[in-house]
Amino acid sequence: GQSLEQPSEVTAVEGAIVQINCTYQTSGFYGLSWYQQHDGGAPTFLSYNALDGLEETGRFSSFLSRSDSYGYLLLQELQMKDSASYFCAVLIYGQNFVFGPGTRLSVLP
Amino acid sequence: DGGITQSPKYLFRKEGQNVTLSCEQNLNHDAMYWYRQDPGQGLRLIYYSQIVNDFQKGDIAEGYSVSREKKESFPLTVTSAQKNPTAFYLCASIASPGQGPGELFFGEGSRLTVL
Repeated sequence: GQSLEQPSEVTAVEGAIVQINCTYQTSGFYGLSWYQQHDGGAPTFLSYNALDGLEETGRFSSFLSRSDSYGYLLLQELQMKDSASYFCAVLIYGQNFVFGPGTRLSVLP
Repeated sequence: DGGITQSPKYLFRKEGQNVTLSCEQNLNHDAMYWYRQDPGQGLRLIYYSQIVNDFQKGDIAEGYSVSREKKESFPLTVTSAQKNPTAFYLCASIASPGQGPGELFFGEGSRLTVL
């Protein structure tokens, strides 16, 4: 089967940099995605890594290492509005997505 | 504007009743998905469909049913056989899984409460 692990909670202060890790066990997948979800809302797409390496999108960057079964989301210049839950997800060869349990990020003033 | 529309946003059901959640997309996406989310938890796959008139069970399909008669529509029925249906239900779609940026588009969700 497939499974993903993330830290349950992360806390940081405004302006800081935070890294949210995702480790996975899966037999084969197209890529690793990251989603943000505010309380009561729907997830929104942040980033996708099909290949190993770093993808940068504004303040957010995502990294994938297939050899280490590991990825991370890096958030820079944290803002209060970044307080949310963050999910990693793999698009497996069965063509469905498997989501991690989510990491709740709290940004403090 | 293209997107995914879920309805109703809030739904209350008595035990023993079936309810159907609507999901419509005008993105011309091939694949559609239904997820369930419980408070403080991740997303669990109920059903998915990659093409019209075909769908596959996800990890928690028991007590649910779906249909895919049109490309743009993927309704979910929560049957009385689902023992604990109170949850947040999310519909999502993607153009062509495995070909492209891997971005799932989500609807706003339907919050079902069983009284």
